[in-house]
Amino acid sequence: EVRLEESGGGLVRPGGSLRLSCAASGFSFSSFEMNWVRQAPGKGLEWIAYTSSTGETIYYADSVKGRFTISRDNAKNSLYLQMRNLRVEDTAFYFCARGIGFDPWGQGTLVTVS
Amino acid sequence: DIQMTQSPSSLSASVGDRVTITCRASQDIRNDLGWYQQKPGKAPKRLIHGASNLQSGVPSRFSGSGSGTEFTLTISSLQPEDFATYFCLQHNNYPPLTFGGGTKVEIK
Repeated sequence: EVRLEESGGGLVRPGGSLRLSCAASGFSFSSFEMNWVRQAPGKGLEWIAYTSSTGETIYYADSVKGRFTISRDNAKNSLYLQMRNLRVEDTAFYFCARGIGFDPWGQGTLVTVS
Repeated sequence: DIQMTQSPSSLSASVGDRVTITCRASQDIRNDLGWYQQKPGKAPKRLIHGASNLQSGVPSRFSGSGSGTEFTLTISSLQPEDFATYFCLQHNNYPPLTFGGGTKVEIK
């Protein structure tokens, strides 16, 4: 079964940092692009970061550029999102999603900045 | 950046109704569009890829159509388990990858 599981969310003060992880299983992780998407409570979906299968190509949404860093460890089948200088408006559920087709998604992890 | 305008933002419908949701792209995205369903407290689930291809395991009452700038998700006969929020996503021209604003389908 293809599975993605996020972890690392929690409560953090404005200006603080947090590192999210996404553990992948059931597929050849190193063959797939990966994304991070967030959803503020009661709001729509916002793509925030993309990495190619090798990590050589990375893109960010303007809202997080310079503060967030996406990375991956293909040997550990894991995707990461290092978040720095967090703002109240970064409060959201954070999902990882496989491929440019965004299928499947993990269950999400909640980040609260307050 | 490509903007995805989704309509309506919400709708009320009854079990058995035919429901249509539209996404309009600000420029030609060919058929590089997916449709996703999200239930409260859950992760989104892909229903349609390539604008019109039904995801494996998704009921055939769901269908997608369109190409270029106009896309439609249709539920031919709404079932109780279909009450959810639906999003489109374009992956033709990025960054950024862009979602529609969502359509909440509620029970009438």
